[in-house]
Amino acid sequence: AQTVTQSQPEMSVQEAETVTLSCTYDTSENNYYLFWYKQPPSRQMILVIRQEAYKQQNATENRFSVNFQKAAKSFSLKISDSQLGDTAMYFCAFNAGGTSYGKLTFGQGTILTVHP
Amino acid sequence: NAGVTQTPKFRVLKTGQSMTLLCAQDMNHEYMYWYRQDPGMGLRLIHYSVGEGTTAKGEVPDGYNVSRLKKQNFLLGLESAAPSQTSVYFCASSYSQLGRDTQYFGPGTRLTVL
Repeated sequence: AQTVTQSQPEMSVQEAETVTLSCTYDTSENNYYLFWYKQPPSRQMILVIRQEAYKQQNATENRFSVNFQKAAKSFSLKISDSQLGDTAMYFCAFNAGGTSYGKLTFGQGTILTVHP
Repeated sequence: NAGVTQTPKFRVLKTGQSMTLLCAQDMNHEYMYWYRQDPGMGLRLIHYSVGEGTTAKGEVPDGYNVSRLKKQNFLLGLESAAPSQTSVYFCASSYSQLGRDTQYFGPGTRLTVL
């Protein structure tokens, strides 16, 4: 069974600064996907970024980037130039692909607050 | 473009009552999922479906039943609600089980069982 751990229950950052959210996972699968989802106060789950395990290059989406360390089973999210709208709960999630029927395994979440 | 919708958005039940949560998607997705979100535990999978007429148990299925009679709808039933089922429930859908296909989430249903 896969497990996903987010060890930072809460984080805060000043507007325009950079913040990194941590995530570690455990799996025996060789090919899989990792995700970061954002959940603002509206409760809507929004996909921020995804990384395929076979790709060595770290994924980037505008101000969001990841540091994927496959051997260490680590998948951190870096948010650059933080904005007030980035205030949300962030979830790290794992998908083992075909063997898991697309099921997502989530971490506990990290509440990020961006201060003006 | 509706995407994934959930009905109702909020509900309060008394212990022992029953109810059905409805999830509908208009993206012709094969795969649908029900998750529950509890503080400090992230989202956990209750049941899922890989196509019309098929359902399977997830991580926390006890106390819930599901049905997928139509491809676009996935129903989650609570036959006899318990306070431990107080949670926020999310439905999601995706085109396939592959990670490259995005899993889209509904807006959630907040359920309180007294």
